[in-house]
Amino acid sequence: EIQMTQSPSSLPASVGDRVIITCRASQNIRRFLNWYQHRPGKAPKLLIYGASTLQSGVPSRFSGSGSGTEFTLTINSLQPEDFATYFCQQSYSSPPYTFGQGTKLEIK
Amino acid sequence: QVQLLASGPGLVEPSQTLSLTCTVSGDSISSGSFYWSWIRQHPQRGLEWIGYVYKSGATYDNPSLKSRLRISIDTSRNQFSLKLRSVSDADTAVYFCARDRGIDGPMGAFDVWGLGTMVTVSS
Repeated sequence: EIQMTQSPSSLPASVGDRVIITCRASQNIRRFLNWYQHRPGKAPKLLIYGASTLQSGVPSRFSGSGSGTEFTLTINSLQPEDFATYFCQQSYSSPPYTFGQGTKLEIK
Repeated sequence: QVQLLASGPGLVEPSQTLSLTCTVSGDSISSGSFYWSWIRQHPQRGLEWIGYVYKSGATYDNPSLKSRLRISIDTSRNQFSLKLRSVSDADTAVYFCARDRGIDGPMGAFDVWGLGTMVTVSS
């Protein structure tokens, strides 16, 4: 099973900041990496798939990059609604798909 | 707009069977070529993919749960379901149902999620 490790686990930031969240895979997953946002009491939301493709309707301040074992999610100009928990997830080859443990983006 | 709603008992006794249903609204579960998944989130832990089902009834289970798991689909009711046998405290989690965005096969990227339903295993 492919292990996904996110860092940091908690990230204090302010509105207007640029933040970067990192996700590492335990083996090469090419670009089969997805990012989700989860706000309390809401359904998780797909932000990015295929490492860098923005899901329809997601604001352009979100971007993803990386391949192989290292990936990043960047959020430019943080908005109040962006404070949430972010998960990465690999979808390489056959299931089981596995998720990172999450990064909680908190108001500083 | 497709919406998913997971439902079922919030409390299950140890060694019993956990049963959940996901109701799909806004589209017919059998009209497209989507795969439908169950995913859970343990308290204080990350997310765990449980398995998926296709409209044909074909399933793929997480090997870690396979011996206890049954995922099924009822296209006439526009629902898919999960049954997990012999539950223990380790199965306490929020259970989500989700749609895989892949059209020509599962992509493993979930573009529609339900809110999730909390299930506690306790006597």
